[in-house]
Amino acid sequence: GAVVSQHPSWVICKSGTSVKIECRSLDFQATTMFWYRQFPKQSLMLMATSNEGSKATYEQGVEKDKFLINHASLTLSTLTVTSAHPEDSSFYICSAIPGTGENIQYFGAGTRLSVL
Amino acid sequence: AQTVTQSQPEMSVQEAETVTLSCTYDTSESNYYLFWYKQPPSRQMILVIRQEAYKQQNATENRFSVNFQKAAKSFSLKISDSQLGDTAMYFCAFMKPNAGNNRKLIWGLGTSLAVNP
Repeated sequence: GAVVSQHPSWVICKSGTSVKIECRSLDFQATTMFWYRQFPKQSLMLMATSNEGSKATYEQGVEKDKFLINHASLTLSTLTVTSAHPEDSSFYICSAIPGTGENIQYFGAGTRLSVL
Repeated sequence: AQTVTQSQPEMSVQEAETVTLSCTYDTSESNYYLFWYKQPPSRQMILVIRQEAYKQQNATENRFSVNFQKAAKSFSLKISDSQLGDTAMYFCAFMKPNAGNNRKLIWGLGTSLAVNP
């Protein structure tokens, strides 16, 4: 299957700082990438849909200015958590759909964010 | 709007036995995809199996198979010869395939499966 790389796997930061998480499709071009947040023992909550070359589409209730998404190329999307606070601590996961029309989301390994 | 329901929050099975995880969904679409994803303790989300709604034949991947009942909007996952490595959260998910760049997955709440030695 297709491979999605997500980096870093774990990040600890101080309150008020910004953190960037990268999501790369390694062996395919992804026209669409997704960003999720997952709380312990819960399902995935979609935060936003990221399309290459256009603005991300955010789900209702997700702060656009807090969670900045950039999909600059067909293989890279980034999520920046700006002015992070302890309540932003969570597990963030990205996924990507190949541009071949495969209709399968392939997932990165996730990033654990801890804000002190 | 589409919804996905997994009515079994937790299940357990003995190693080498068979277990079935339930999933029902609601949609007015005629064509769609259904998925089972596995999330082991590492938290890496792994695709287990995919079913296309227009295909009547149930999908199978080695020890994993589905029972897809379109009229009943049911999509259960059967795991045969359960192995310790099958211990994970299992999520059922729905996708509209022709939604352009908006091919979101609609997720169930998950079933935590424990395979006991």
